[in-house]
Amino acid sequence: QVQLQEAGPGLVKPSETLSLTCTVSGGSISTSSHYWTWIRQHPGEGLEWLGYIYYSGTTFYNPSLQSRITMSVDTSKNQFSLRLTSVTAADAAVYYCAIRTSPDNWFDPWGQGIQVTVSS
Amino acid sequence: QSVLTQPPSVSAAPGEKVTISCSGSSSNIGNNHVSWYQQLPGTAPKLLIYDSNKRTSGIPDRFSGSKSGTSATLGITGLQAGDEADYHCGTWDASLRAYVFGTGTKVTVL
Repeated sequence: QVQLQEAGPGLVKPSETLSLTCTVSGGSISTSSHYWTWIRQHPGEGLEWLGYIYYSGTTFYNPSLQSRITMSVDTSKNQFSLRLTSVTAADAAVYYCAIRTSPDNWFDPWGQGIQVTVSS
Repeated sequence: QSVLTQPPSVSAAPGEKVTISCSGSSSNIGNNHVSWYQQLPGTAPKLLIYDSNKRTSGIPDRFSGSKSGTSATLGITGLQAGDEADYHCGTWDASLRAYVFGTGTKVTVL
């Protein structure tokens, strides 16, 4: 049973870069059918898909965030990462990592989530 | 960016039935399967229904999903206190080239 765990700073200053990692346990990040996904949830709101990355490094980003987002994979650490530049208060949210298994179009499992606050 | 519309809340007494609608368009629900996620208070979302009408392993048959045209529906029968949660629908949107989620629905057991 694959499990995911997000990690990173819970507080980021405006205009700085948000960096999060998701550690994969119980499975390999090099699994060919998996797309490693980031999703966020603003306080009291619905979910927003940020994008996903294949173990080879191929990425698919939400066009609304394309200019600010970068995802990467570290196979040696069995981790994948999210970087979001030039953050504002609008980026404050709970960030989740999850798995999409190709060719399916859903996300399972999910990490427990990490709260990120944007404040000086 | 919630292009899928859900009612903000639904409620019913224990043992009764609720349905949650998820309304979209031809660029999303109209041409793609829908998944549903249950988010219990203070926890991460969990996959409930995939491919519009298939239950994830371990999910009781009190939960059902359906899709017709550009709308999808989640049904919960025999409502229990443990079903109190937020429910989210999701699918791929070909026009936006993004996976999109619904606005979320809070289920309250009276």
